[in-house]
Amino acid sequence: KAGVTQTPRYLIKTRGQQVTLSCSPISGHRSVSWYQQTPGQGLQFLFEYFSETQRNKGNFPGRFSGRQFSNSRSEMNVSTLELGDSALYLCASSLTSQVGELFFGEGSRLTVL
Amino acid sequence: AQSVTQLGSHVSVSEGALVLLRCNYSSSVPPYLFWYVQYPNKGLQLLLKYTSAATLVKGINGFEAEFKKSETSFHLTKPSAHMSDAAEYFCAVSDQLTGGGNKLTFGTGTQLKVEL
Repeated sequence: KAGVTQTPRYLIKTRGQQVTLSCSPISGHRSVSWYQQTPGQGLQFLFEYFSETQRNKGNFPGRFSGRQFSNSRSEMNVSTLELGDSALYLCASSLTSQVGELFFGEGSRLTVL
Repeated sequence: AQSVTQLGSHVSVSEGALVLLRCNYSSSVPPYLFWYVQYPNKGLQLLLKYTSAATLVKGINGFEAEFKKSETSFHLTKPSAHMSDAAEYFCAVSDQLTGGGNKLTFGTGTQLKVEL
């Protein structure tokens, strides 16, 4: 069974640009969550989607947004990039939105110059 | 809000020695607790989870953790460390109060080093 796939794995952007990251969950999983990992702030929850609906949102500015498609694939978008947005963005999928048993992808490493 | 505190950002053990990684939680109701491991340049992998059933939880790769309500702790142990255990370990709590099952709050992580 294929795991969680995130694309692209690495990308470099400049301040002010926008970026879209993609996540394909494990087949059959309907929940997709996104986390930001940085050396300073650690792992922080961005948002969760279940059956195309946003169920939870973390404490991030409106520049961070996401969506989920009918096939459970998810994208997250960051607009007007800032240097502080440089991070590893991790996507995790789960069968349901309960219990928190998450299966993580290897992440998309974003560098903002 | 629920939170977890991991004591010790770096732990070093000898191969074959006991591994003990500490995690304390803060919650007004029994939480769901998890331990995840992250190898370099990889995503996180679930080691084990506590969901209010047995207080001693066994996970993968020989790890186990014991939920102690009186101490608000959920420490991770492994009787004998192996070189392949070197990684970063994260304790996490699930925010069940507001129905956010997959909204995990992570600790700051403990980097485990295993020496020959």
